Amino acid sequence: DIQMTQSPSTLSASVGDRVTITCRASQSINSWLAWYQQKPGKAPKLLIYKASGLESGVPSRFSGSGSGTEFTLTISSLQPDDFATYYCQQYNYYSWTFGQGTKVEIK
Amino acid sequence: EVQLVESGGGLVQPGGSLRLSCAASGFTFSTNWMSWVRQAPGKGLEWVANIKQDGSEKYYVDSVKGRFTISRDNAKNSLYLQMNSLRAEDTAVYYCARESPPGFGYFDYWGQGTLVTVSS
Repeated sequence: DIQMTQSPSTLSASVGDRVTITCRASQSINSWLAWYQQKPGKAPKLLIYKASGLESGVPSRFSGSGSGTEFTLTISSLQPDDFATYYCQQYNYYSWTFGQGTKVEIK
Repeated sequence: EVQLVESGGGLVQPGGSLRLSCAASGFTFSTNWMSWVRQAPGKGLEWVANIKQDGSEKYYVDSVKGRFTISRDNAKNSLYLQMNSLRAEDTAVYYCARESPPGFGYFDYWGQGTLVTVSS
């Protein structure tokens, strides 16, 4: 199975900060990568698909980039609603696999 | 409005069985691959299984192969997960998720989840 590794595991930031989360795949997954946001007790929410496609209704401060084995999720100006855990997911090879998550905390 | 509503979770003893259901509405259920994704308490997300629109293809994570069976009934707009030989490590919230567009492997809609606890 393809291993997905996110960094950092935890990130402390302030409202207005630019935040970047990295996701690395153990082998090339082309651009078949999605990003999700999850808040406590809630289901994940799709943010980004195919590495850089912004899901409908998701604020434009979220953006994704990368291909092959290295990907990033960027939040251009962190808002109070953005404090959550973020997961990447590859869907190039079965089994679909997720990163371990990055928790974005209030600094 | 797309809705996915899971049911069937609960407490079961190790070695026992449970059947989860997911009722779908607000979209044409028969046009989408569907998946189950689980999340152990305090842990990350793990994809469990998925099924093609007509049920002709099914895929599983290695840890559940031979124990879990995914199925669907398009006439009832329902997705199922039959879980047998349950282990403590199967304890998790189980989410039903829609893969979209069809044939791709990311999830645009999720249910609220149903908790499965495997314990004696």
